[in-house]
Amino acid sequence: ILNVEQSPQSLHVQEGDSTNFTCSFPSSNFYALHWYRWETAKSPEALFVMTLNGDEKKKGRISATLNTKEGYSYLYIKGSQPEDSATYLCAYGSGGYQKVTFGTGTKLQVIP
Amino acid sequence: DAGVIQSPRHEVTEMGQEVTLRCKPISGHDYLFWYRQTMMRGLELLIYFNNNVPIDDSGMPEDRFSAKMPNASFSTLKIQPSEPRDSAVYFCASSFNSFTDTQYFGPGTRLTVL
Repeated sequence: ILNVEQSPQSLHVQEGDSTNFTCSFPSSNFYALHWYRWETAKSPEALFVMTLNGDEKKKGRISATLNTKEGYSYLYIKGSQPEDSATYLCAYGSGGYQKVTFGTGTKLQVIP
Repeated sequence: DAGVIQSPRHEVTEMGQEVTLRCKPISGHDYLFWYRQTMMRGLELLIYFNNNVPIDDSGMPEDRFSAKMPNASFSTLKIQPSEPRDSAVYFCASSFNSFTDTQYFGPGTRLTVL
């Protein structure tokens, strides 16, 4: 069983605050790390995919970093808005197991 | 492209009945994944296919679950007989040419077994 952990499980922030959360994964047999955004009653939608140690990706106010040697990725949201409220999932692709394993997500609520 | 299509969107059935969930992946995508979403376990991978061939079915809960992909544009997930604990949202997703490529999810099927 591949252990992909996300923290915190849930988070409440005020509109305008910046926030970040963590995804931890096994550092061996790494292929790729994905971040998805999952709004309530919808389907997960891809934000980023990262494959190289040190990768940094950015889309608007959201950015992500990757450290494959120590097995973690951070997702940052700058100036949170109510529309950022969602569950953020990371997914770890393992070459050894030839599969992608999702974390249980960080549920973000941005309070206006 | 219309994206990944799943049907039905909602299914209510009685315990013991057979349930069939359907998925049409994005055209040109070689990989198809079936997931189950539950409160306890989040998003669980049940099975995935590459070029219509099942690659990893280790997440299929038990023999009551089966999945097929007869061609590149259609897959089914069948539960027979269904039980109340199978109640969940079932997602289908597809990706282009690697198990690590971005996955595109369908809208899900909400299954309720009474």
